[in-house]
Amino acid sequence: ETGVTQTPRHLVMGMTNKKSLKCEQHLGHNAMYWYKQSAKKPLELMFVYSLEERVENNSVPSRFSPECPNSSHLFLHLHTLQPEDSALYLCASSQALDRPRLEAEKLFFGSGTQLSVL
Amino acid sequence: AQKITQTQPGMFVQEKEAVTLDCTYDTSDPSYGLFWYKQPSSGEMIFLIYQGSYDQQNATEGRYSLNFQKARKSANLVISASQLGDSAMYFCAMSDPRDAGNNRKLIWGLGTSLAVNP
Repeated sequence: ETGVTQTPRHLVMGMTNKKSLKCEQHLGHNAMYWYKQSAKKPLELMFVYSLEERVENNSVPSRFSPECPNSSHLFLHLHTLQPEDSALYLCASSQALDRPRLEAEKLFFGSGTQLSVL
Repeated sequence: AQKITQTQPGMFVQEKEAVTLDCTYDTSDPSYGLFWYKQPSSGEMIFLIYQGSYDQQNATEGRYSLNFQKARKSANLVISASQLGDSAMYFCAMSDPRDAGNNRKLIWGLGTSLAVNP
């Protein structure tokens, strides 16, 4: 079983659709992240959850809505997206954020969801 | 402002040879961490190596080593004895010195695409 699993791997949706991305980690970590990866841009941090509490919302539009029901699961709910939201969405996890630097900042990633908004 | 620069969009190396991927960073904070990640075509970001700003020795992990030159603010990744499976995108990242505790995040470069030729 891989450490961080994301589903679906690929998603095509219209601008009026509602869909959700799912992430599950089997590493016993306490922090989970959503990142957006677009061509020609650095990886963009979207949300951070620590012990199921959101600790970072990096100025993300409200059409992206995260949910973290427990420390192993993370969702990203999508609605009324725009074509510029097309990207690879990566989920990651790490040890608790109050741990020493390497433990807190060493991220374990899933394979991502390639999202296309038509 | 904190920044990571990777000046090589693409690199080629012959199998079994060594290759150096460049990374320079900009920060005025004395305490920071530097990371290298590998992203194969499958999409998953894989942690390779870490260097703390106060570490006395250059980090090594198997075939990966980090050439850390603090005065030059460079943290180049050296891959020895390249293998075909090393073909991937490689990203350099730095812990944001402004962050601590529950607000940790990484600053990312744009990446270098490495192709290993047989």
